[in-house]
This record gives sequence, C-alpha cells and structure tokens, in this order.
Amino acid sequence: SQQGEEDPQALSIQEGENATMNCSYKTSINNLQWYRQNSGRGLVHLILIRSNEREKHSGRLRVTLDTSKKSSSLLITASRAADTASYFCALDTGRRALTFGSGTRLQVQP
Amino acid sequence: EAGVAQSPRYKIIEKRQSVAFWCNPISGHATLYWYQQILGQGPKLLIQFQNNGVVDDSQLPKDRFSAERLKGVDSTLKIQPAKLEDSAVYLCASSAPRSNTGELFFGEGSRLTVL
Repeated sequence: SQQGEEDPQALSIQEGENATMNCSYKTSINNLQWYRQNSGRGLVHLILIRSNEREKHSGRLRVTLDTSKKSSSLLITASRAADTASYFCALDTGRRALTFGSGTRLQVQP
Repeated sequence: EAGVAQSPRYKIIEKRQSVAFWCNPISGHATLYWYQQILGQGPKLLIQFQNNGVVDDSQLPKDRFSAERLKGVDSTLKIQPAKLEDSAVYLCASSAPRSNTGELFFGEGSRLTVL
C-alpha cells in the first residue's frame, strides 16, 4: 500500500492538553506531509518533513519521522478548540501524486 | 493570491443522471489534481494534469468519469451516469511548478449526493 495509516482514528482531549497522532506507512518516501481539514472544508497544508530529517517544528506543531520504522508523529501542543479538525498524513513517493491516509479526527473540548 | 476555486459547492442528483464540476487553480500552477473523498475517508486521487496533459488517471473509473483541462488552466470533471457510490466530496488541488515542497493547495470541494 502506498498510503499512510493514521492512529488513532479519533481523539478527544481538553483544551490546553497536547494531541499526538501517528502515521505508519510501508513504502519508501521522499517526504511526508501533514494536512488539516475542518468540517466541510478543503485540506490545508500544515508541515512537510523530508526523508533525511528527523524532527521539525512549526509554531505549536512538532513532527517527527523515523524512516527505519516507517512512521511519523504529529504533536499539537497546548491545543485549542479551533484545532478541532481531521488531520491527514500524505506520502510523497516521487512516483505519483500525494497519497493520503484515512485521517485522525481530533475533538478539542473547551 | 486567490485560492483554488470550485463550483458548485453542493449538488444533489438522481442515480443515472450526469453532473459536472469545475475547478480554477491558483494562477501559475501547472499541476492540477482531482481527488475523491468519501465520508470518513481520506482523499483518493482520480486524475492528475500537468498543464493540459494527463499525468495519471489510473484510478479514474473511465466508464463513467471524464475530466479535461483545456488550455491548461480550468478543469472540468464529469460523471455520467452517476451511481449511488459516487456520493462524495470532489476536491480540486493545484501545485506550483518546480515546487521543492510538493505542497498541494486545495479548493473547498464540491459535495455530491446521489439519490
């Protein structure tokens, strides 16, 4: 399979807590990207991590990549109600367009 | 800059009817994608264009789906005849030429309900 698999499928936390979601994959990649989708909207690019990188930060987001385990994690620190959305990992294999996993649905309770 | 524009936002049709969706990508973006997103799932690629040529349509159900990108700008995705399982959100995305990130810019999507 050339798509990632996110875990957990759904996550509910309180505002201020950290949210961690994981993505596992089976193919070789050039980079891995994370996207957010608010209900009824399109996807928005959050962050990209290249295959030779191990960790990357952007604001409250922290992404890690372990190519030996073929897994990535997205950490959202100090979550807010506005972070409620679905989060998707997307694989860039260099052979075709981005392939998306089935997503993690995050609910942040105020 | 203006984002990816899609229309219509919502469409309800009976099975066996036809429907068309339109997409205008970000100005200057040579690559255009149509993805299908079924409720509760991630987007699945239907077709990828580079300018007005097809790069990948291996997952496009060609017996009922067709897409074109005349003049390498706007694109239209058509379904004829529609089936119940075609109920989904159809997302258009574009990417910049020679982008070193491969980031995709998505439109808001066109939600299709087939009754």
